[in-house]
Amino acid sequence: QQQVKQSPQSLIVQKGGISIINCAYENTAFDYFPWYQQFPGKGPALLIAIRPDVSEKKEGRFTISFNKSAKQFSLHIMDSQPGDSATYFCAASNNNDMRFGAGTRLTVKP
Amino acid sequence: DVKVTQSSRYLVKRTGEKVFLECVQDMDHENMFWYRQDPGLGLRLIYFSYDVKMKEKGDIPEGYSVSREKKERFSLILESASTNQTSMYLCASSYRVGPYEQYFGPGTRLTVT
Repeated sequence: QQQVKQSPQSLIVQKGGISIINCAYENTAFDYFPWYQQFPGKGPALLIAIRPDVSEKKEGRFTISFNKSAKQFSLHIMDSQPGDSATYFCAASNNNDMRFGAGTRLTVKP
Repeated sequence: DVKVTQSSRYLVKRTGEKVFLECVQDMDHENMFWYRQDPGLGLRLIYFSYDVKMKEKGDIPEGYSVSREKKERFSLILESASTNQTSMYLCASSYRVGPYEQYFGPGTRLTVT
């Protein structure tokens, strides 16, 4: 069964809007939560990551919100741009065991 | 910059053929991984290796084997390709002891006819 559940499967946002992608996990041993961004024809690349000792991490327009008690975390993309159109994967890791969500295809319309 | 390269971007093989996918990384990473990516299923781990000649099964190892003779190179082998192995195959590498960021190659789109 999937250890990391990601939603929505696809998302369409207008330019300048906020994109929100949610993930939930089961294994409380996970201690590293990255988000990967994948453009067509490319491999996934690390976008931003968080550890469970903080509730939020922000890098530019990208923010991870983390709720340890609910075992949920989310990616917020502020002021979404057409160049953000890609597939986003959340993941959860414990040591070298990394589990990925199913992915969200984000389309930002100009 | 970390670089993970994969031997082929696109590959078309026939059912029953033996298929080799090769991956090379230049960051002296201990860990290397093979995933397959299918729509709606995300990335599923086939095998990983934490050292030369060491390998561990992932979630979907059936029909696959791997080889790691050198630290920088990790090969995925489909002993007898089948149509249900048509997929995107991604190789990744990382340090063994944190940070756990995995660096991915560009992927190989394999079609088995």
